[in-house]
Amino acid sequence: DQQVKQNSPSLSVQEGRISILNCDYTNSMFDYFLWYKKYPAEGPTFLISISSIKDKNEDGRFTVFLNKSAKHLSLHIVPSQPGDSAVYFCAAASSGGSEKLVFGKGMKLTVNP
Amino acid sequence: DAGITQSPRYKITETGRQVTLMCHQTWSHSYMFWYRQDLGHGLRLIYYSAAADITDKGEVPDGYVVSRSKTENFPLTLESATRSQTSVYFCASGRLAGGEFQRDTQYFGPGTRLTVL
Repeated sequence: DQQVKQNSPSLSVQEGRISILNCDYTNSMFDYFLWYKKYPAEGPTFLISISSIKDKNEDGRFTVFLNKSAKHLSLHIVPSQPGDSAVYFCAAASSGGSEKLVFGKGMKLTVNP
Repeated sequence: DAGITQSPRYKITETGRQVTLMCHQTWSHSYMFWYRQDLGHGLRLIYYSAAADITDKGEVPDGYVVSRSKTENFPLTLESATRSQTSVYFCASGRLAGGEFQRDTQYFGPGTRLTVL
């Protein structure tokens, strides 16, 4: 049973527009959430994270929003750029086993010029 | 070069053979991890290690063996490869600070694509 769900396998947006990537989780013990970006033939790279004590974290063009009551988080990329085209993974960790990350299946983002 | 490297990058083997995937990091990170990535599953944790000589199971450990005699190396062995172990394998390392694992600091290697025929 998947504890971290990325229900949309892909998203296509125009350059300059907003990209919104969604992630849902089922485990109430998760208290830390991360987004990773992955290019083909490379390993995932850390993008941004958020602790459950916050509802928003911003880093440049990237903002992550957390809705604990809905067990939902989203990554906003504004403005989207062609170089953002990649697979994005949502991951979660709980305080009890903080070194173990549980990943979603990933979502492929394509930003068209 | 500093960073985390994996070897080989590509490997084809046959069912029943033993295969070892190598992982080396130069940051002296305490933690190291092995994940596999399969279509429809994302990344799943196989084994991890908090320090030399300390290893623990992840979500999908069956059929795999790990060891960590040195901080910088974390080899993953498939003792008798099966077709279901065809996958892309990622090694990662992460930092310990103040006695706590720093969750933003998992750095991934480039991956090893393993095919078991």
